[in-house]
This record gives sequence, structure tokens and C-alpha cells, in this order.
Amino acid sequence: QVQLVESGGGVVQPGRSLRLSCAASGFTFSSHAMYWVRQAPGKGLEWVALISYDGTIESYADSVKGRFTISRDNSRSTLFLQMNSLTPEDTAVYYCARDVGATGTTILYWGQGTLVTVSS
Amino acid sequence: QSALTQPASVSGSPGQSITISCTGTSSDVGNYNFVSWYQQHPGTAPKLMIYEVNKRPSGVSNRFSGSKSGITASLTISGLQAEDEADYYCCSYAGFSTVLFGGGTKLSVL
Repeated sequence: QVQLVESGGGVVQPGRSLRLSCAASGFTFSSHAMYWVRQAPGKGLEWVALISYDGTIESYADSVKGRFTISRDNSRSTLFLQMNSLTPEDTAVYYCARDVGATGTTILYWGQGTLVTVSS
Repeated sequence: QSALTQPASVSGSPGQSITISCTGTSSDVGNYNFVSWYQQHPGTAPKLMIYEVNKRPSGVSNRFSGSKSGITASLTISGLQAEDEADYYCCSYAGFSTVLFGGGTKLSVL
């Protein structure tokens, strides 16, 4: 079955960086677009970034553009999110998610999430 | 990139039907048939309930249905059950490889 396992979350000071990873299994990773979606404590879902199946297309929410970078290693079935210049507003559970197809229109599967806390 | 608009809360009694609306713009909901709905229970990851406006993934009860008219999409749950109490989020493709979520609706089963 499809499994998405996030890692790399934790407590980080404002202005510092953090890199999240998502290990995928149970499907052909290189055939699907992937996402990062976050949820601040007690708040709703917010799309963060999307990457196409082959990594040639990346897109970002305005709130993270220029600070976050999504990438993937299809040889290792792993998705990444490099987060720089973190602020307290970035505190959230970060979910890795898989699209139904190759380019990104619908999130089908979700991981369990990893908590990122930005605090001094 | 403004969030889609959902009511903050809705409620219903067991056995009743409820509808949750999701209003976007002509650039997202009104322009694409890629509207999906997610159910989220406290402390758990979201679960896809409806995709492409009105399609149900395998394993989702047929009590859940979706529709769209213009810039507004809707999720209807019929025969409400206690286990349906959760947060519900709509999501729409918005072009240029971007997606938008609604603010979420808390469903209470009285």
C-alpha cells in the first residue's frame, strides 16, 4: 500500500534553516507529482509547494516563495523541502502528499506529517 | 492566492443531510473540474472523500457526494452518522501548477 513517511521536523530558531524529507513506497514514485501541505496549530490546510513527476515543474505558495525549495530524488523515491529564513509563522505540521497523476491536480494520499516549530 | 471560502461550521442530526459550500473565483473553482474534498479527524491526516467535483475514491461511502455550479462547489453528506463529525476542506486546482484550499468547515453531528 502507499506509504509516505515524513522526517526532519523539530524545533528551530527564527532565521535558521531546516530540511524535510519524505520517503515514499508502495507506488511508482517517478510517475506522480508530489506536494508539501502545512497546517498551523488549530488552523486549516495550506498548500506550500508542488513538484511534477520528473522535477521539471516547481510551484510555491506566495507565503514561502523565495525561501522554500521543493525537490525530489526519483532514484531514492524521496521528496524534500528545504526551508530557509524560517519565521514563527512557519510553525506547522508539514504533510507530504501524492497526486493522482503526473503533473498535479488532486492530492490523493497523505503522510502523517512532521511538526516544525520555529521559536527562540 | 486567496483561500477558497467555506462556512466555519455546520451541524446536523443523525440521519439528516447537510451541504458544505466552497466558493472560489473564475480562476480556480469556476475554471477547472479539479475540485476535491478532504475529511480530517482531530490529530490525523486528511482523507480524500471526493475528487474531480463528484467522483468518489474506492472505499468512500456513497453518502458523500459532490457538485459544482459556477464558482461554487458543494459537498453533501446524507444520512449523517456520528463518525462523520470532522473538519472538511475543499481544494481546487488554480492553474500554473498551483492549488488552493478552503478555510475548512467543522461538522458537528448533534
